[in-house]
Amino acid sequence: GQQLNQSPQSMFIQEGEDVSMNCTSSSIFNTWLWYKQDPGEGPVLLIALYKAGELTSNGRLTAQFGITRKDSFLNISASIPSDVGIYFCAGRRSGAGSYQLTFGKGTKLSVIP
Amino acid sequence: DAEITQSPRHKITETGRQVTLACHQTWNHNNMFWYRQDLGHGLRLIHYSYGVHDTNKGEVSDGYSVSRSNTEDLPLTLESAASSQTSVYFCASSSLVAGELFFGEGSRLTVL
Repeated sequence: GQQLNQSPQSMFIQEGEDVSMNCTSSSIFNTWLWYKQDPGEGPVLLIALYKAGELTSNGRLTAQFGITRKDSFLNISASIPSDVGIYFCAGRRSGAGSYQLTFGKGTKLSVIP
Repeated sequence: DAEITQSPRHKITETGRQVTLACHQTWNHNNMFWYRQDLGHGLRLIHYSYGVHDTNKGEVSDGYSVSRSNTEDLPLTLESAASSQTSVYFCASSSLVAGELFFGEGSRLTVL
């Protein structure tokens, strides 16, 4: 099945730094979702985006739905140790099969205190 | 609070045995999904259901089956477990309206 291109695959940052990650696709999506997964647990929804150009924040997290509808970005400001985990993007199309999500392979974030 | 629960959380079995992983959600969601997660492959869709008595194959459905007899449950069965099915399995559900997926905590299956 198709996967989204998520980058970077991993990143090591100092506590307090800002983080950026993105997902791109050759297909158009009508919904973009960002999840975080802690070790040994299931992914947890962070932000959902429904309109092209939409910019949505959740605390220190900000995500944007790209204008072309083929990409999305997630930024984390002033990182803290509990931000460690794997971040996944997911896209949802319209039409047949629209309840299924296509997932990126994740960005593994490590925060150095 | 509404939730989605999986059981067992950990299981070790032998090749050839039948295994069933349970998934129960109290969101009253119509849509339920099973994924497996493996290093290097991310989340891959096994089977999904859009309502009672509806089941559909995902991208990696061989060797797996599901049944949907009520809204709350979607058990995943491995008819004859193989070592290649060693993985972490996630159940998820979503409503018809928003489509946002909510995941269970996962079931780690080891097939020896």
